[in-house]
Amino acid sequence: ETGVTQSPTHLIKTRGQQVTLRCSSQSGHNTVSWYQQALGQGPQFIFQYYREEENGRGNFPPRFSGLQFPNYSSELNVNALELDDSALYLCASSGQGSDGGSSYTGELFFGEGSRLTVL
Amino acid sequence: DQQVKQNSPSLSVQEGRISILNCDYTNSMFDYFLWYKKYPAEGPTFLISISSIKDKNEDGRFTVFLNKSAKHLSLHIVPSQPGDSAVYFCAASWTGIGNQFYFGTGTSLTVIP
Repeated sequence: ETGVTQSPTHLIKTRGQQVTLRCSSQSGHNTVSWYQQALGQGPQFIFQYYREEENGRGNFPPRFSGLQFPNYSSELNVNALELDDSALYLCASSGQGSDGGSSYTGELFFGEGSRLTVL
Repeated sequence: DQQVKQNSPSLSVQEGRISILNCDYTNSMFDYFLWYKKYPAEGPTFLISISSIKDKNEDGRFTVFLNKSAKHLSLHIVPSQPGDSAVYFCAASWTGIGNQFYFGTGTSLTVIP
């Protein structure tokens, strides 16, 4: 069974630039969510994708956007980077509940994260 | 507004003794709780979960207790081992909102050999 993989592991950008982070979900998982973990904080929910559509969003501005592809992999895009965007970005995948819907709440399986530094 | 709180940033315990990590929450809608362990430069690893229909769940050395009236949960690790040294996060959600979990700020556990 293949776990959640993320790329790149580290990257440095300057303020105002744009970044794309990538995630491959765990085998058999069709729901992907993204979290931001700032230094000294717990992960904070950005959004969730199910069947290629955003399904649930946290308190993040529209310059945070994403995609999910037919193979359930996902991208997180951040435009107009700000210094406060410096953080560890975590992708998590989960399976599907018996109801077959995106509302299933269960264990999250995280990747190792992408460390973004904005200068 | 921090809906899940871990008020102890750090905890040190002797090897073989019990480690107790605490977590408080404010949102009464939460009905599903998770504990994660995180090593430096790695993603969080799932440890144990509990739903609000239970007040206790065990998995080997790890036991989670839930006190709904107090909006409090705790993770007990017995016996503690040096390999347990990591940051522990509790997370909460409610059934039906998918992967939207609210995380605490973490407790750094050090198990002293």
